[in-house]
Order: sequence, then structure tokens, then C-alpha cells
Amino acid sequence: KNEVEQSPQNLTAQEGEFITINCSYSVGISALHWLQQHPGGGIVSLFMLSSGKKKHGRLIATINIQEKHSSLHITASHPRDSAVYICAVSPLYGGSQGNLIFGKGTKLSVKP
Amino acid sequence: DSGVTQTPKHLITATGQRVTLRCSPRSGDLSVYWYQQSLDQGLQFLIQYYNGEERAKGNILERFSAQQFPDLHSELNLSSLELGDSALYFCASSQAPEVTDTQYFGPGTRLTVL
Repeated sequence: KNEVEQSPQNLTAQEGEFITINCSYSVGISALHWLQQHPGGGIVSLFMLSSGKKKHGRLIATINIQEKHSSLHITASHPRDSAVYICAVSPLYGGSQGNLIFGKGTKLSVKP
Repeated sequence: DSGVTQTPKHLITATGQRVTLRCSPRSGDLSVYWYQQSLDQGLQFLIQYYNGEERAKGNILERFSAQQFPDLHSELNLSSLELGDSALYFCASSQAPEVTDTQYFGPGTRLTVL
């Protein structure tokens, strides 16, 4: 079982829809990251969370440390939001001194 | 543009060969991370350097090595290449050594081993 699980794997939405991508993890963490990977391959860091909620434009990220779960929401989705969204955690314990463990990603396609 | 540069963009080589991937971090960033992204494994952390010293090691094969130079650029050396080493290799940089600091990713180097 992967330490970081994302759902859904693939998501197709119509422009304007509200989108939710989920991330569950099984290890204790010091932080959780949401990344966006564009079709060309480039990766951008969207959020880093250790508690609560963060908002940037139309993107909202929440985390529930007790439930080991995070969600990424996109409001009023747009075709330019089409990308792969990757959840990554920094584990408190174990090898690699806390370096990131990644989910497999959620591929989002927003149709006009 | 993240400010992190990687060269080359693409690299095609044969099995058994050795290649060097280069990364220049954002101005002021002391920490450099290397990641491998393959189709079957997804993104995996390979190694981290901070101010010239190795700080953390992940799933890096013995055939792979890295270093960070005094000017803070980093190189990832891959030797005795196998077909399975074909992947996208990203480097990322951050100011602080802690992984709770935001990382800025380079555009990646796509390695194809034939």
C-alpha cells in the first residue's frame, strides 16, 4: 500500500465546475504539499500545509491532521487548470530525513 | 519561470553509458533536491544537498551520484545506464534545508536510454 494515496486518478470536468481532489496518507507528517504539473512537464508548488486551510485565488487546500487527509479544491474551474495535481508529504520519521513522499497524482481535464 | 535551470532539456543515450545532469538553483537558495519521475513509479526523491554537503538520501541507486559545488550548482551523475533509468529528472531548490520550506522546481531533464 502506498503511503500517499490520491483520488480520483483521473477527473474530467466542465468549465465552471467545482473540483475536489483528495489525498490520504498513512504516516505522521510535518507538512503536506500540493504540486501542479503542467502538460509540458513543469512542476509548480501550489501550497504547503501543516494545519487548517490555505487559499490562493481559486484554489483552496485543507488538511485534517487527525484524519490524515487533505483536499485540494478548485472553484470556477477553467481549461487552463488542466494539469496533474500531486500531493506530497514530509514524514516525521523514517529514512530520507523527512524528504517528500509523493502520491501518484490526479490528472484533471477541464473541458470548455 | 521558477528561477531554477536544468541542462540539458533532453538526453538520448545508450545502455551502459554515463551522463551528467546539471542544475542551477534559484539565486540565494542553498538547498538542492534531485527527483526522478518515471511512468510506473511516479515522483521519487533521490538526494538532497545543502550548502555543498549531502543532507539526505532517498531511493538513489549506487550507480547514481551527485554533488553540489561551491557556486551551489549541482550535478547528478548516472552511470552504467539501463533502460529502466529512462525518466524525467527534476531538481528543486529552497532557501532552508528543511523540507517544510517551499521548493522551486526546474523544468526537468528528459532522459531516454535506448
